[in-house]
Amino acid sequence: AQKVTQAQTEISVVEKEDVTLDCVYETRDTTYYLFWYKQPPSGELVFLIRRNSFDEQNEISGRYSWNFQKSTSSFNFTITASQVVDSAVYFCALIDNQGGKLIFGQGTELSVKP
Amino acid sequence: EAQVTQNPRYLITVTGKKLTVTCSQNMNHEYMSWYRQDPGLGLRQIYYSMNVEVTDKGDVPEGYKVSRKEKRNFPLILESPSPNQTSLYFCASSLGSAGNEQFFGPGTRLTVL
Repeated sequence: AQKVTQAQTEISVVEKEDVTLDCVYETRDTTYYLFWYKQPPSGELVFLIRRNSFDEQNEISGRYSWNFQKSTSSFNFTITASQVVDSAVYFCALIDNQGGKLIFGQGTELSVKP
Repeated sequence: EAQVTQNPRYLITVTGKKLTVTCSQNMNHEYMSWYRQDPGLGLRQIYYSMNVEVTDKGDVPEGYKVSRKEKRNFPLILESPSPNQTSLYFCASSLGSAGNEQFFGPGTRLTVL
């Protein structure tokens, strides 16, 4: 069975703190793709990153970075120097290779306080 | 601007009154999909389409219909809405189904009384 687990339901930090959102996945596929999406209070789903199973390099984009580790089936997301605008629900997702369905985790609600 | 659009954004209706939520993308994407988002249940796929005239059921297709007559459009039809279809609906599109990122519309918040 394919599954994505985000164990942290809610995280609250103070502005400028670093924060890591955890994501653990399960799949039997040897080739797979992982994603992170952001859902701000306005409700839309914003694509952040895609990572395929063959590329284990960490990725950095501004204050965002992602750590992909196949050995632990994890794809964690770190925000450095968090800002109030980072407050949102963040979803980790795995794509189902059969029908293209995104299998989402339950999401982590991040609250960044000034 | 590359985007996925949905209409309406908000809708309050009554049980049994047929409705259609439209979805359109301008990126020439082959793959389109509908999801619903509910508290405690997360995001679940309703239907998807690999290409024109090709549609298939997702995880929660009961009570919904879709069509894909043109590449850009993928409407979601509720023939006889019921209160348990009150939800936040998202349309998404991508180049293909094999690992491409899916871009989401802004969402349609539907309330069925």
